[in-house]
Amino acid sequence: DSGVTQTPKHLITATGQRVTLRCSPRSGDLSVYWYQQSLDQGLQFLIQYYNGEERAKGNILERFSAQQFPDLHSELNLSSLELGDSALYFCASSVVPAAFGSEQFFGPGTRLTVL
Amino acid sequence: AQTVTQSQPEMSVQEAETVTLSCTYDTSESDYYLFWYKQPPSRQMILVIRQEAYKQQNATENRFSVNFQKAAKSFSLKISDSQLGDAAMYFCAYWAVAGNTPLVFGKGTRLSVIA
Repeated sequence: DSGVTQTPKHLITATGQRVTLRCSPRSGDLSVYWYQQSLDQGLQFLIQYYNGEERAKGNILERFSAQQFPDLHSELNLSSLELGDSALYFCASSVVPAAFGSEQFFGPGTRLTVL
Repeated sequence: AQTVTQSQPEMSVQEAETVTLSCTYDTSESDYYLFWYKQPPSRQMILVIRQEAYKQQNATENRFSVNFQKAAKSFSLKISDSQLGDAAMYFCAYWAVAGNTPLVFGKGTRLSVIA
């Protein structure tokens, strides 16, 4: 158990809908990262937050947005869902931003299925 | 942009034998980290081993060791005395210290362990 929690574990929804994925980082970790893993693919970095502020952005679609709240939990919002958005979404956390060499701890992921 | 290449989509090994998974990367940076992550059927991402680029000594963690060839930009993972529980997807990842870049993952190698 990494200490990072993600809810829900599974989510099934329809095209055009909007969903919110939630992540609680390990106690004391200030930085949160979101990754997308499509079927049999490596993880693609989406976005990073550090202590409530956006720190880095990867290949995140405009239909997707995220935020980190004062209690450091983070939410990833996916809207106007398409079939291709079906994937495993991981959250990871670290004490400080990645540039300082701290290890990232991954949550169990949320499996999103868009029908 | 940094890229990570895992040229072996699938590998298999007999229980108790040794297997080596390959990874190459492309970067112009001199200060970076390399990682091997394991993803078992549970889909949890588990850090196996980490190598800091400025350290010449190859990292080891119990039965797992790496062969880090900085000039060749190669970072292979050796698993000794393979066990059934080693069966998983293995992802190589790269992380540059400068520029606040995220983890860059390869597409993974699926390892099967044969009893």
